[in-house]
Amino acid sequence: ILNVEQSPQSLHVQEGDSTNFTCSFPSSNFYALHWYRWETAKSPEALFVMTLNGDEKKKGRISATLNTKEGYSYLYIKGSQPEDSATYLCAFDNTDKLIFGTGTRLQVFP
Amino acid sequence: GAVVSQHPSWVICKSGTSVKIECRSLDFQATTMFWYRQFPKQSLMLMATSNEGSKATYEQGVEKDKFLINHASLTLSTLTVTSAHPEDSSFYICSATRDGNEQFFGPGTRLTVL
Repeated sequence: ILNVEQSPQSLHVQEGDSTNFTCSFPSSNFYALHWYRWETAKSPEALFVMTLNGDEKKKGRISATLNTKEGYSYLYIKGSQPEDSATYLCAFDNTDKLIFGTGTRLQVFP
Repeated sequence: GAVVSQHPSWVICKSGTSVKIECRSLDFQATTMFWYRQFPKQSLMLMATSNEGSKATYEQGVEKDKFLINHASLTLSTLTVTSAHPEDSSFYICSATRDGNEQFFGPGTRLTVL
């Protein structure tokens, strides 16, 4: 059974705080690791697709790192804003299918 | 670009009835569409993969006679939950790819079976 785990399950931070979450995944049969941002009542939105060990990607205040040897990825949000409130999903891609974690629900308070 | 819509966004039905959910790629042709299901506090789980004009490939444990998938065109796939029962109540979400890589998701359909 392929297991993808995300922690923490939920997070409440104050506006301006920086935060990070973890996604752990199998280290074998790795093709890519996807991060999605999912706001309530909207479609999950792709943030990053990461393929190479040591990859670091950045989009505005959000960045992600990848370690395929030990099977984890971190997502960082610098200076959180209320509009960052969403569920952040990671998905392990073994070319056959995407296997999702349960997500980290982030709430940013003004 | 790469917008995927789903209809309806929510549906309530009686036990024993069938429910059809549509997934459309609005501004691109989708080579492949995927159907996922999410139960409360669980992750999105792939149910089936469908390619236009061919039979869907179902994941282990998903009954193909209960969850009928029709991918009739490059922009439309439908999922029909036949003879729905309360245990089928879930959140169903589709995605589509245009070049075999990135999946673009619809907003999902909340099904409640009474």
